[in-house]
Amino acid sequence: GAGVSQSPRYKVAKRGQDVALRCDPISGHVSLFWYQQALGQGPEFLTYFQNEAQLDKSGLPSDRFFAERPEGSVSTLKIQRTQQEDSAVYLCASSPFEGTTIYEQYFGPGTRLTVT
Amino acid sequence: SQQGEEDPQALSIQEGENATMNCSYKTSINNLQWYRQNSGRGLVHLILIRSNEREKHSGRLRVTLDTSKKSSSLLITASRAADTASYFCAGLRGFKTIFGAGTRLFVKA
Repeated sequence: GAGVSQSPRYKVAKRGQDVALRCDPISGHVSLFWYQQALGQGPEFLTYFQNEAQLDKSGLPSDRFFAERPEGSVSTLKIQRTQQEDSAVYLCASSPFEGTTIYEQYFGPGTRLTVT
Repeated sequence: SQQGEEDPQALSIQEGENATMNCSYKTSINNLQWYRQNSGRGLVHLILIRSNEREKHSGRLRVTLDTSKKSSSLLITASRAADTASYFCAGLRGFKTIFGAGTRLFVKA
């Protein structure tokens, strides 16, 4: 079956531009996560949705980052006024489990954002 | 801000050899997971070991967990070139999954 998909796969933005990254989770998956992965590092948690509710956004690095999942399926991560330090791969993951019982997550291929 | 630390950072072995990677974490977590990441398949869940388990096997993978030392190890037996990837341990704390920095494994054919 279809896995998690993300678009675009690559994005180049000039510093100061706004970007929107899309995640299509596996159909029916309750939980959705966003992560930021810098080169040579592990993924860093950004935010967590359970259905349409954003239950944890403690990992968002600044108020320039905003995520939404209005209908509990597709999610968008928006970065306003991009900075060079925002350059990274942004990973989305989904899980059929809820809350703190989440174990296995299914990851998308990521969006590689380069800010010039 | 990552919680887990993998050791070694990089490992190069010959095909057929065993590979051992270690992970230490700072604070209490609920269960521990190992993930693999390569350019072909992205980030894939390998195995989960619960807080009350000490050892778990899955195919050529063997994971141990020592909660008193806050550490875990991943052993890959009879390695193959296709095992070349980065391996991450990850712990669940609340809603967050906290990943380590990873061990980069290179298996030479």
